[in-house]
Amino acid sequence: SAVISQKPSRDICQRGTSLTIQCQVDSQVTMMFWYRQQPGQSLTLIATANQGSEATYESGFVIDKFPISRPNLTFSTLTVSNMSPEDSSIYLCSVDRYFGPGTRLLVL
Amino acid sequence: AQSVAQPEDQVNVAEGNPLTVKCTYSVSGNPYLFWYVQYPNRGLQFLLKYITGDNLVKGSYGFEAEFNKSQTSFHLKKPSALVSDSALYFCAVRDRSLGTGFQKLVFGTGTRLLVSP
Repeated sequence: SAVISQKPSRDICQRGTSLTIQCQVDSQVTMMFWYRQQPGQSLTLIATANQGSEATYESGFVIDKFPISRPNLTFSTLTVSNMSPEDSSIYLCSVDRYFGPGTRLLVL
Repeated sequence: AQSVAQPEDQVNVAEGNPLTVKCTYSVSGNPYLFWYVQYPNRGLQFLLKYITGDNLVKGSYGFEAEFNKSQTSFHLKKPSALVSDSALYFCAVRDRSLGTGFQKLVFGTGTRLLVSP
């Protein structure tokens, strides 16, 4: 199984600012996935991050709002840009069937 | 598109009794199905998966799931519930998007399991 860590574990941010979430995996993987879980909701895929290529975004998510980096086979970042209270969610990184612990974001 | 449905928002069961959390699926081709559990303020934990083979899949923490092709169901079960099993349970299906090969997961809406002492 893959061991996935995320930083930060939680944060409280002001409207209009940006937050970058880091995801580290203990093995080399081709695809990494970023999901969002809004309060009381299920998980929704934001984008798929392949090393060496542009991330692929799901309908309703755009690169300007959620830029993703994938500099190597064990690491990825997701930035939540120009945040609003509607961005308050848990953001989870995933590899194969495994998930990181999540980043709990509250936007005031 | 692949999808799963969890018809129950909440399931209540007494400790020691068997529990079932329901999931039905809609897929084209062979389904790859998963169950996850989410405890409060915790991440998503993988319980078990079905890809092929035996219809009864055994997973972590004493959970198992029964794949039923004719009923397009993949119900999660446990013979004897524990209070500590109280959590949010998600069913998911692997979605192989045509033309991309990406294998994202599509989740159900979740079922809250409450096990009373």
